[in-house]
Amino acid sequence: AQSVSQHNHHVILSEAASLELGCNYSYGGTVNLFWYVQYPGQHLQLLLKYFSGDPLVKGIKGFEAEFIKSKFSFNLRKPSVQWSDTAEYFCAVYTGFQKLVFGTGTRLLVSP
Amino acid sequence: DTEVTQTPKHLVMGMTNKKSLKCEQHMGHRAMYWYKQKAKKPPELMFVYSYEKLSINESVPSRFSPECPNSSLLNLHLHALQPEDSALYLCASSQATGRRHEQYFGPGTRLTVT
Repeated sequence: AQSVSQHNHHVILSEAASLELGCNYSYGGTVNLFWYVQYPGQHLQLLLKYFSGDPLVKGIKGFEAEFIKSKFSFNLRKPSVQWSDTAEYFCAVYTGFQKLVFGTGTRLLVSP
Repeated sequence: DTEVTQTPKHLVMGMTNKKSLKCEQHMGHRAMYWYKQKAKKPPELMFVYSYEKLSINESVPSRFSPECPNSSLLNLHLHALQPEDSALYLCASSQATGRRHEQYFGPGTRLTVT
């Protein structure tokens, strides 16, 4: 079965620090890749998505992610985090059959 | 319009009640989904409807009964729930076919079972 791993369960950063959250998946075929964010008490919002083409994708709020096919990875990055980025971040992979597989999530806390 | 709407936003129900959650989308999507999300956990898929037919049931207990009256609406009927069913219930929709699969999520219904 396909799986998605997010190795960082909790990340604590100070404002202006750089962020990189890891995401690895186990599937050898064509994938669609997503990062979702869930702010405290709010619903899931799509940060960015990758279907094909340029492996470096840019999303909302200054986030970007890089798809590295050889490493089965889709890591999320932001050069300088803000307090308002405090949230839960979920990586998700679609491999077909209408099932979106989510990682376990990474809780990011940004201290002012 | 890229919005999925869900009602109600909050629901408190007793274990003997019958209630329904509603979801609506007007994006022309022919696939709709119900997810359950517990606090600090990722969403768990419950049901998938494709072209108004149930295509996936992830072994969900029968006290949850989905219904897709038409291509824009999705309901989740609840009966005799348990306290452990308290969670955020998310609806999503997507194209039913195609290489690019993107699910649009609604804001969810926060359910508390007392």
